[in-house]
Amino acid sequence: AQSVTQLDSQVPVFEEAPVELRCNYSSSVSVYLFWYVQYPNQGLQLLLKYLSGSTLVKGINGFEAEFNKSQTSFHLRKPSVHISDTAEYFCAVSARGNTPLVFGKGTRLSVIA
Amino acid sequence: EAGVAQSPRYKIIEKRQSVAFWCNPISGHATLYWYQQILGQGPKLLIQFQNNGVVDDSQLPKDRFSAERLKGVDSTLKIQPAKLEDSAVYLCASSIPQGQLGEGSYEQYFGPGTRLTVT
Repeated sequence: AQSVTQLDSQVPVFEEAPVELRCNYSSSVSVYLFWYVQYPNQGLQLLLKYLSGSTLVKGINGFEAEFNKSQTSFHLRKPSVHISDTAEYFCAVSARGNTPLVFGKGTRLSVIA
Repeated sequence: EAGVAQSPRYKIIEKRQSVAFWCNPISGHATLYWYQQILGQGPKLLIQFQNNGVVDDSQLPKDRFSAERLKGVDSTLKIQPAKLEDSAVYLCASSIPQGQLGEGSYEQYFGPGTRLTVT
């Protein structure tokens, strides 16, 4: 079975500052890793995913994440945030194959003007 | 390409009543998931379908929850009778199964969800 721990429940950051949202996972098998964003009253939108290959993954809206197998981490970063990045961010893991996602509890990113 | 459709978007019922949610996945997506997202938590899988067959329903409270996907396309999730703790957002997602498009096909596409309030 897989599990995900998002280390921060809330992250306030000033506009144009960098941000890192932390995610650690646990699994006994090889996994795929994902970051999703959820805006108020909306469904989940995929930001980026790691399936294989390069450990640095670039996604939409200027986000990127780095897969670190030895530390079982998949932290999300953005060099300069905007007000519009204010949302809930979920890290998720799945076993390889067409399998369900296991989500963390989420990190609420609040960008302050 | 149309996304995953869900209805209704919002529902308020009293405890012990029944409710049903509907999901229409992206055309051609054989795999369909229902997730429950309780306020302040991440989504949790309820059930996974492959075409019209159940792949995983180990976390579905079968004494009150049921789901079906009779023709392998749209799906219905039902709760009967509802409890206060069933208040949540119910998310439907679909994906293309392994082998059809390669590694990039494992992305799950989510609908907007149905927000259920049980009073």
